[in-house]
Amino acid sequence: DAKTTQPPSMDCAEGRAANLPCNHSTISGNEYVYWYRQIHSQGPQYIIHGLKNNETNEMASLIITEDRKSSTLILPHATLRDTAVYYCIVKGDSNYQLIWGAGTKLIIKP
Amino acid sequence: DAGITQSPRHKVTETGTPVTLRCHQTENHRYMYWYRQDPGHGLRLIHYSYGVKDTDKGEVSDGYSVSRSKTEDFLLTLESATSSQTSVYFCAITRLDRSTEAFFGQGTRLTVV
Repeated sequence: DAKTTQPPSMDCAEGRAANLPCNHSTISGNEYVYWYRQIHSQGPQYIIHGLKNNETNEMASLIITEDRKSSTLILPHATLRDTAVYYCIVKGDSNYQLIWGAGTKLIIKP
Repeated sequence: DAGITQSPRHKVTETGTPVTLRCHQTENHRYMYWYRQDPGHGLRLIHYSYGVKDTDKGEVSDGYSVSRSKTEDFLLTLESATSSQTSVYFCAITRLDRSTEAFFGQGTRLTVV
């Protein structure tokens, strides 16, 4: 079973920041938080991952709470093309498998 | 985009027939994976490979076999297709098995009638 909990759906206005929450209260010390997204019918796309520090790349920012029990993916200026299902996944270095939950369906509205 | 090609992209087959799906990569990544995705669900791992001729089972491997005779190709075979294997199948690759990002193919939509 997935070790994460995400809201099933969210809306965001185009041009605004989209903040997607994820709870992972049972995360272990050596487990990373990964974010992927899946645009309708396409293969999943890697977005970002982190261990305990906040991370930023050209796509998004990842904010992890100090206790590491939750995180937030931030898309700073959402566009219509960001409409997708976003998956938060916890994975440690000692295993090979990504365990996928149902994700959050993010809808960007004009 | 990572160089991953899945073929065929769509297939309809009859119950009881064997089916082979192909995943081809041009990245020379060591690790390759086959997932299936059913409506409203995330991906579930079927089999994975950590090198030529080195494969192992994932969480939903029953009814599936795999082969990897070359670094670039990973084949998934449904030995005798059933309606429960109607799904979208995704291939993925990673440079390392335990970290960094996975790159996914565009998927194969398989319908078993």
